[in-house]
Amino acid sequence: NAGVMQNPRHLVRRRGQEARLRCSPMKGHSHVYWYRQLPEEGLKFMVYLQKENIIDESGMPKERFSAEFPKEGPSILRIQQVVRGDSAAYFCASKVGPGTGELFFGEGSRLTVL
Amino acid sequence: TQLLEQSPQFLSIQEGENLTVYCNSSSVFSSLQWYRQEPGEGPVLLVTVVTGGEVKKLKRLTFQFGDARKDSSLHITAAQPGDTGLYLCAGAGSGGSNYKLTFGKGTLLTVNP
Repeated sequence: NAGVMQNPRHLVRRRGQEARLRCSPMKGHSHVYWYRQLPEEGLKFMVYLQKENIIDESGMPKERFSAEFPKEGPSILRIQQVVRGDSAAYFCASKVGPGTGELFFGEGSRLTVL
Repeated sequence: TQLLEQSPQFLSIQEGENLTVYCNSSSVFSSLQWYRQEPGEGPVLLVTVVTGGEVKKLKRLTFQFGDARKDSSLHITAAQPGDTGLYLCAGAGSGGSNYKLTFGKGTLLTVNP
């Protein structure tokens, strides 16, 4: 019973390139969150998605960042024209349905922008 | 914006000691969760507390939710090196925003053998 799978685990990009982070939720989970974690800053909410719907993207910068969770396939967090300040660990979490159910986190994708 | 303050930020103790970490806010949360995160991994849920004044025990860990549902504490008895990690509290909003978890910055605990 696989948990939340994120890839790549580590990604290095140069300024101006694009970063794509993928998240496959746990089997049977239709709700996905993306969080960003910087050292000594804690986990910051970015976006909450249901299959084919963005429920809440209030934590995601309006420029350069986008997220999707298609009917088939993983959820994707896309960062265009990356800058050094985008360097962080990006965590995906999934849960079965709406409300306050338990969140299961992936191991994270660590983005380094040179 | 709901904020959660965790204290202390860092804690280094010897094996066998007891400790308490705190999670405080000026906001009311519908529920509060505690997670533990190890280096290079994602957070793992330890417990969820829902009712004001609620106390939950998980082996040597005792979690308490404040009466007003604004604060929480985690007490570890006879700490062991395996307890080392980053402890995060996270509060769920009320009403229509109960799906969103706000995390504190965490308490980094080191238990020395």
